[in-house]
Amino acid sequence: QEQLQESGPGLVKPSGTLSLTCAVSGGSISGDKWWSWVRQPPGKGLEWVGEIHSSGDTNYNPSLQSRVTVSVDQSKTQFSLQLTSVTAADTAVYYCARGPHSWGPGTLVTVSS
Amino acid sequence: IQMTQSPSTLSASVGDRVTITCRASQSINTWLAWYQQKPGKAPKLLIYKASSLESGVPSRFSGSGSGTEFTLTISSLQPDDFAFYYCQQYNYLWTFGQGTKVEIK
Repeated sequence: QEQLQESGPGLVKPSGTLSLTCAVSGGSISGDKWWSWVRQPPGKGLEWVGEIHSSGDTNYNPSLQSRVTVSVDQSKTQFSLQLTSVTAADTAVYYCARGPHSWGPGTLVTVSS
Repeated sequence: IQMTQSPSTLSASVGDRVTITCRASQSINTWLAWYQQKPGKAPKLLIYKASSLESGVPSRFSGSGSGTEFTLTISSLQPDDFAFYYCQQYNYLWTFGQGTKVEIK
């Protein structure tokens, strides 16, 4: 079972771009696998953001689709999230995951000037 | 696919049998997971494929259901079980239920 670890800036300015990376260890990022991002605003529930297959196919939450991009870098065994035009409503703990079994510990991203 | 979880809050005592329900807006077969989450921690998988117990999870946790109706049961509530619980469908993309807070009565 893989281990996942999120990394990236903890503070992003409004209207800026949120960029996070998920490093995968203890397993391959290739093969028939989907890699996902989930977020959780403070005091609220879980929201699926999007996913990418190791082949490069992607799916996004319709409510975020116009602003989100998920990409994979197999050479670095990592995948990434970019969310553009952020507002305070995008402040959340962001988790990377593979299927229901493997989740990263999460990283808090605050949108504030 | 919408997931409707109930109740939103459940007050119970140690030793109680507790049941949480999740309803899908359309059939998801058995592609359903249950998670436990404590403050400041990532969700912890309890049950996958509706009724399969994740390795290392105590046997007092069980899941059942298929199609659109699912339940998570804790047979005898323990002090460590007071937490938030979420259901998740992964039949088509992912959707989470709104969550259930299990609190001390």
